[in-house]
Amino acid sequence: EVVMTQSPATLSVSPGERVTLSCRASQSIGNKLIWYQQKPGQAPRFLIYGASTRATGIPDRFSGSGSGTEFTLTISSLQSEDFAVYYCLHYINWPFTFGPGTKVDIK
Amino acid sequence: EVQLVESGGGLVQPGGSLRLSCAASGLTFTDQYVSWVRQAPGKGLEWLARIANKANSYTAQYAASVRGRFTLSRDDSQNSVFLQLNGLTTEDTAVYYCRIFVSTHANDYWGQGALVTVSS
Repeated sequence: EVVMTQSPATLSVSPGERVTLSCRASQSIGNKLIWYQQKPGQAPRFLIYGASTRATGIPDRFSGSGSGTEFTLTISSLQSEDFAVYYCLHYINWPFTFGPGTKVDIK
Repeated sequence: EVQLVESGGGLVQPGGSLRLSCAASGLTFTDQYVSWVRQAPGKGLEWLARIANKANSYTAQYAASVRGRFTLSRDDSQNSVFLQLNGLTTEDTAVYYCRIFVSTHANDYWGQGALVTVSS
């Protein structure tokens, strides 16, 4: 089973700042990585797939990069609506597994 | 508009059973794989299971944490998937989401979630 880790666990940020979140896989997953955003009481929101392709309707301040075992989600200028928990998910093989998440909160 | 609606959640005693349903509309259901993901209170997301489409023999796959206790099935005539939960423990307390990824246009759809509480 591929184990996903994320860092940091929590990130305190001011609006307008650039944010970089990291996700690491325990073995190579190519580009089979999804990023989700989740707010309290809501289902996850699909942000990025194939490690770097934005989903429909996702603002271009969100970008994903990486391949193999190291991945990054970057938010170029954090908006108030971006405070949330971010999860990475691999889908290279079964079982799919999520990282533990990074909480982005207000500094 | 694509909609996924889960139902069947509730309070159950340890050792008990529940059957969750996910009803889909607004998409060609027969072509889709359907997955279930859960989230325990205050915790992260856990991918539980998925069931393939008819073209892939309705094959079901499970995470180790639920294999042997949870069973997936589907009824394409009702555009529905069912997750049978047996042998429930307090660790199964969570919101259970169904999810469909439509690869033809790379859209990802989730239901609103069904809360399962396992408690005596």
